[in-house]
Amino acid sequence: DAGITQSPRYKITETGRQVTLMCHQTWSHSYMFWYRQDLGHGLRLIYYSAAADITDKGEVPDGYVVSRSKTENFPLTLESATRSQTSVYFCASSESGSGGAPETQYFGPGTRLLVL
Amino acid sequence: RKEVEQDPGPFNVPEGATVAFNCTYSNSASQSFFWYRQDCRKEPKLLMSVYSSGNEDGRFTAQLNRASQYISLLIRDSKLSDSATYLCVVNIGDSWGKLQFGAGTQVVVTP
Repeated sequence: DAGITQSPRYKITETGRQVTLMCHQTWSHSYMFWYRQDLGHGLRLIYYSAAADITDKGEVPDGYVVSRSKTENFPLTLESATRSQTSVYFCASSESGSGGAPETQYFGPGTRLLVL
Repeated sequence: RKEVEQDPGPFNVPEGATVAFNCTYSNSASQSFFWYRQDCRKEPKLLMSVYSSGNEDGRFTAQLNRASQYISLLIRDSKLSDSATYLCVVNIGDSWGKLQFGAGTQVVVTP
């Protein structure tokens, strides 16, 4: 049972480069989320998706782009990486509950990104 | 002011002792509450949901105080394996389940 996976697990890039972080889940969960985690801030939502082709901004979307052409994949792209985007990025997924809202979120192992 | 605030700790706890810590939230419309556990350099994992009447899961007890807008977590008979960061998580009630995460409380259980 693969669950939710992220790739790459570690990435070093330079300012101005485009970077794509991949997220793949095998549960067919409707909801998927991207968070970043920085010291002192906790997890902050970047983007989320309620279903394929439905995405929306979270708390800190600037500088990021997402797409969701298939239910199982939710890539996150940094269009032009900046040093402030150095962080740990977590993808999460959840299924819909009885009322249609997401239930418990399951997190991937994270991607550690360093922007030089 | 942050939506969800936690004492970062660390709480240093002797093995076998009890430790408790709180989390405060600012949005009175918050609908549901959770504690997640995060081990060093790992992903967060759900520890337990927090219900209005309070709930237990083995050695863990969670309480909710809506009037004062805080939730608490108590760990009894602490084990070395309980060493982790505990994240307070609040669902502010949007239909898509927007979760607000606290920055976490670190617990270190010592032999």
